[in-house]
Amino acid sequence: GDSVTQMEGPVTLSEEAFLTINCTYTATGYPSLFWYVQYPGEGLQLLLKATKADDKGSNKGFEATYRKETTSFHLEKGSVQVSDSAVYFCALSPVSGSARQLTFGSGTQLTVLP
Amino acid sequence: EPEVTQTPSHQVTQMGQEVILRCVPISNHLYFYWYRQILGQKVEFLVSFYNNEISEKSEIFDDQFSVERPDGSNFTLKIRSTKLEDSAMYFCASTFGTLNTEAFFGQGTRLTVV
Repeated sequence: GDSVTQMEGPVTLSEEAFLTINCTYTATGYPSLFWYVQYPGEGLQLLLKATKADDKGSNKGFEATYRKETTSFHLEKGSVQVSDSAVYFCALSPVSGSARQLTFGSGTQLTVLP
Repeated sequence: EPEVTQTPSHQVTQMGQEVILRCVPISNHLYFYWYRQILGQKVEFLVSFYNNEISEKSEIFDDQFSVERPDGSNFTLKIRSTKLEDSAMYFCASTFGTLNTEAFFGQGTRLTVV
């Protein structure tokens, strides 16, 4: 079945540091890939997505590129802020099927220190 | 901005009791989902629902679980006889369609079975 393997946390960075959170996947066909973020006390929010190979998703300074050859979708940000402290989830969804069933990674807790 | 709302935010119940978790999806969405996250583990898909019937369900979604859309706005998850291992955060989500659409998540209900 489909699976997502995500870099284990927690990750602690100083403000303005460079962030990478690794994500690799196993899936049949051509899945869509997502990064979700969960701020303390809130639900999951879509951060960015990519629906086909070589697509780059971006939002709020975060980027991730859909790499089919390495089955990866690593999340990056050039300069993190304290407000980026949250849990980040990589996820995939099969293109086919009657509904969007997301498969999530285990989540990575990011703490950014001032 | 439209949002998915879940109630209650936290529920404590005794083992063997029935619980109903409630969700109000985004009003023009057609597909509804429940996910759960046991503490420290991955977010897991439970069930998807479309056109008043279950479209997909995972192995976790056994006979003790049921879902219902009792009126035009609510979407509920019922657990008939709760077990200790049902303790988790339960997330509701909705999408407008199944392709190239964003899943909007609620803030979650933390269920604690004692």
